[in-house]
Amino acid sequence: DTGVSQDPRHKITKRGQNVTFRCDPISEHNRLYWYRQTLGQGPEFLTYFQNEAQLEKSRLLSDRFSAERPKGSFSTLEIQRTEQGDSAMYLCASSLPKASSSRETQYFGPGTRLLVL
Amino acid sequence: GEDVEQSLFLSVREGDSSVINCTYTDSSSTYLYWYKQEPGAGLQLLTYIFSNMDMKQDQRLTVLLNKKDKHLSLRIADTQTGDSAIYFCAEYNNFNKFYFGSGTKLNVKP
Repeated sequence: DTGVSQDPRHKITKRGQNVTFRCDPISEHNRLYWYRQTLGQGPEFLTYFQNEAQLEKSRLLSDRFSAERPKGSFSTLEIQRTEQGDSAMYLCASSLPKASSSRETQYFGPGTRLLVL
Repeated sequence: GEDVEQSLFLSVREGDSSVINCTYTDSSSTYLYWYKQEPGAGLQLLTYIFSNMDMKQDQRLTVLLNKKDKHLSLRIADTQTGDSAIYFCAEYNNFNKFYFGSGTKLNVKP
C-alpha cells in the first residue's frame, strides 16, 4: 500500500447532476477525513469517520452532501444536485492516532477536482 | 473555527534560506504541522512539532515555535527550485480537529 488514493482525479459535471467520489485510505488507518479546498485556500474540514462511524460533520456539509464508510475501509462522498459553488478540490486524508500519544498525523490523497458547469 | 494565518507569497533565490511564517489562535493546540502542496496534488506532510517544544530540525527543515506568541515558522535551508510549492501550516487540537492556513506560495528563482 503506497498511500491514500482517490477516484476520479477530475470530474466535470453539469449543474443539477449528482456526483460520487471514492477514497481508499492507507489500509490500517481507522480515521478518514474529507476536506474541501477552493483556489487560494487551505483545506476546510467537511467530515470524518472513525472506522465506519461518522463522528462529525461540518456546517459546510449541506444536506446535498452525504458521506459513507460502510465497512470502515473505503469511503464515498456524494454530492446531489450539484451547484457551481461546489466546484473545488475534494481531499481525503487518513490517519491512525496512537493511543499513547495525542499526536495524529494525516496523510492526504491527491484529491478529486470537481468542476460544475 | 480557529484562525490560522499565513502570508500569501514568498520569493527567494536558489541557495538562499526561506522562512515561512504562521500564526494561530487556539491555545489548546497540541501539535502543529507543515504540509507542502505541489500543483494539482494533495498535501504532503513535511514535519510537525509538539506544542511543548521550541524547535525541531529535520535535514534542511527547521521548525520554530513560539507558544507564547502563537507563532510558528518553517525555515528551509539551501532552497532549491524543487521546493517551489504552496506550504500550509495546520494546528491540531484535543478535539480531533485540524485547521489549516490559506497557504504560502513559495517561488524559488534560479
